[in-house]
Formats: sequence, C-alpha cells, structure tokens
Amino acid sequence: DAGITQSPRHKVTETGTPVTLRCHQTENHRYMYWYRQDPGHGLRLIHYSYGVKDTDKGEVSDGYSVSRSKTEDFLLTLESATSSQTSVYFCAIRGTRGLDGELFFGEGSRLTVL
Amino acid sequence: AQSVTQLGSHVSVSEGALVLLRCNYSSSVPPYLFWYVQYPNQGLQLLLKYTSAATLVKGINGFEAEFKKSETSFHLTKPSAHMSDAAEYFCAVSEEGQNFVFGPGTRLSVLP
Repeated sequence: DAGITQSPRHKVTETGTPVTLRCHQTENHRYMYWYRQDPGHGLRLIHYSYGVKDTDKGEVSDGYSVSRSKTEDFLLTLESATSSQTSVYFCAIRGTRGLDGELFFGEGSRLTVL
Repeated sequence: AQSVTQLGSHVSVSEGALVLLRCNYSSSVPPYLFWYVQYPNQGLQLLLKYTSAATLVKGINGFEAEFKKSETSFHLTKPSAHMSDAAEYFCAVSEEGQNFVFGPGTRLSVLP
C-alpha cells in the first residue's frame, strides 16, 4: 500500500461547473503527478509537482490547474468542466529510490461531465 | 522525445498458454522501462522494471520481461496464463530525470 488516497472516487457534474480532485499521500514523497486515462491513449500527464508550491505542466494541461500547499496534498482543479474532460483521473507519487524510482498510483477518480 | 508503442490493443490466450505482450520504445538515452498491470476499477500496479542491471527482469505473478537494446523492445511474457491474469497491461518508459511516458495499453483476456 503506497498510502495514496484520492477523493472523490466518483463525481458527476455539469458542463461549466468547477471541480476539484484531491490526492493525499502519507509517504512524504516529493514528486506527485496527475494523469488522465482514456481508452486508446493510456495515461497522459496533466500536471506534476516536485515540491511544495513547485508545479509544472504535462502534455494535456489545457483546462486544468493544480496546487500543492503541503507535501501531502496535490489538488487538481477544472475551472469550468467540459464534456471532453470526462475521464478517469489518477494521482501518482514517485518512489524515492533515485532517478529510477517507479510510480505508485491511487485508485482513481472517475469524473463524468454532462 | 520518448514514446512507447504496444502492438495489439487486445490479446486473447487460452488458460495455460504462453502470454506475450509487446512493447517497443524510443529513447535517446538508456531508458528505465516498466510494466504495470491494471485490474478493473483499480489503479496501476508495478509488475516489474528495468533499470540497466540484468536484461532479463523477473516480476510478480510469474511475469518477466527482456530488455533488447538492438530491437528497442521490452516484451512481457508469462509461460502459462491464469484466469487471474486477465487485466490491462501498460508499458512505460522514463529517461533519467524525466517524466514517465505510457503506452496505450493491451487488454489481456484469458479463455478457459
């Protein structure tokens, strides 16, 4: 158990509403990631963080923002949700065994935008 | 830039048969390579990883993968499939200090 908790696990919302997904870790890892998973695309990186208040964009960052005010929490916000953001969102942390550290994943948050 | 291709979005094997899931990558430097498994409605779990030690890597649940630099491949195998192996499998590549890039995934079905 990598000590990663995502909330909410399921959410249905309407187009144009704001949505925040939370990732909480108990492992004190520096690197945290948000991915989205869609059929045929595998996992695509949205944003990542390499420390408190240090974040950067991934390959599919448009329409998303993140914040990390504490080591243990990494928030993903959709300011105005669109149907194209219907997806399963995964948070991950990187193991601290040097540069070859693997990713550990949360259970996922399924978001449906109507 | 790194990239990963997985040949076959869906592979079906009979129980007891050999499992072979293909992964090819592109990387400008020696990469770190990973296989993850995802069961329905769960997150991804690490099966095994290659980090420049032995080219044949053994993982959990009887899976193994061989790094072949000349072929830029990291195929996943298991000698005898079990019903519990039915899942989606993802290959991923990471260069030193860089983010992970995942392949599109291969769904494995195991037929009785």
